[in-house]
Amino acid sequence: DVQMTQSPSNLAASPGESVSINCKASKSISKYLAWYQQKPGKANKLLIYSGSTLQSGTPSRFSGSGSGTDFTLTIRNLEPEDFGLYYCQQHNEYPWTFGGGTKLELK
Amino acid sequence: EVQLVESGGGLVQPGRSLKLSCAASGFTFSNYGMHWIRQAPTKGLEWVASISPSGGSTYYRDSVKGRFTISRDNAKSTLYLQMDSLRSEDTATYYCARGYYPGITGDWFAYWGQGTLVTVSS
Repeated sequence: DVQMTQSPSNLAASPGESVSINCKASKSISKYLAWYQQKPGKANKLLIYSGSTLQSGTPSRFSGSGSGTDFTLTIRNLEPEDFGLYYCQQHNEYPWTFGGGTKLELK
Repeated sequence: EVQLVESGGGLVQPGRSLKLSCAASGFTFSNYGMHWIRQAPTKGLEWVASISPSGGSTYYRDSVKGRFTISRDNAKSTLYLQMDSLRSEDTATYYCARGYYPGITGDWFAYWGQGTLVTVSS
């Protein structure tokens, strides 16, 4: 199975700041990485797929980059609604696997 | 608007069975691959099973193979997960999710339901 390692596991920031979340695959997954946001009481939301393609409705302050084994989710100019949990997921091969998650908290 | 609503969760004893359902609306259900993903309490997300648009192909993670069965009824726009021989480690919130592109199974999870909690305990 492809192991996905996310870092950091916790991140504290203030509105207006920029943050980056990293995701490392145990082997090359080409560009096939998705990012999701999870918030209590809401359905999980797809933010980005294929490494850097924004899902319809994802604000442009979100961006994804990387290929092969190393990927980054960057959120610029944080808004209050951006705080929550973020997961990466490889969609290159079965079994699909997720990173351990990053909790983005208000500083 | 795409909507996915899971049901059927609850408390069940180890070794027993449970069947989850996911009612879909807002899209042509028979065109999309569908998936089950779970999340144990305070843990991360774990893919469980996937099924092709026609239902002819299914995929499972190793730990549930032979115990869980994913199926779908395209006439009812409903996805199912039959869970047999349940273990304590199957305790989790189970989410159904829709694939992104019509016609294929092996893509990512474009839309999610809010989940149903399954607790396996004596």
